[in-house]
Amino acid sequence: EAGVAQSPRYKIIEKRQSVAFWCNPISGHATLYWYQQILGQGPKLLIQFQNNGVVDDSQLPKDRFSAERLKGVDSTLKIQPAKLEDSAVYLCASSGGQGRRETQYFGPGTRLLVL
Amino acid sequence: GESVGLHLPTLSVQEGDNSIINCAYSNSASDYFIWYKQESGKGPQFIIDIRSNMDKRQGQRVTVLLNKTVKHLSLQIAATQPGDSAVYFCAEGGGGNKLTFGTGTQLKVEL
Repeated sequence: EAGVAQSPRYKIIEKRQSVAFWCNPISGHATLYWYQQILGQGPKLLIQFQNNGVVDDSQLPKDRFSAERLKGVDSTLKIQPAKLEDSAVYLCASSGGQGRRETQYFGPGTRLLVL
Repeated sequence: GESVGLHLPTLSVQEGDNSIINCAYSNSASDYFIWYKQESGKGPQFIIDIRSNMDKRQGQRVTVLLNKTVKHLSLQIAATQPGDSAVYFCAEGGGGNKLTFGTGTQLKVEL
């Protein structure tokens, strides 16, 4: 079974530029998550989708971050404009459902460096 | 300035020894706990989980212990191997399958 796919793997941009990340979850997984992982810290949830609807985006900085999952499968996360503090690894995860105790499977992440 | 999170706690063990990684969680309402392993340059990989109605669960070479009284979780790795070198995160599960991750512990296996 193929895992969670993410692209690009690495991205370097200058502050105030925009950037987009793409995620393809495990086939059949209804729930998709985007996390931000700053160096030396654990992942922090940014947004959670159930199919194509948003379940939780309470920690998403909505003035600059946006995410969508239009057809309930692939998802994109966008940052516009980027700030230096956005340098981090952006992880996508998926799970089979939204129920409690559903195992989340992570992709390899996109490493973003903002200069 | 604050540097919390830049210096991960580190556990160094000899190959073949047992490792014990500890984690304190904060939310007494959490009812699901998970350990993830993260190797350099990769995403977190699920290791083992435990529900709050249990105090011990065993997997292949790993055991998770849960002490709800003191809100403490531990991961025991038997016969630690070089391939076990990674950062280990505990996470607590809340409503809607939301996970809150801890800071992480760097495990280094010495040959």
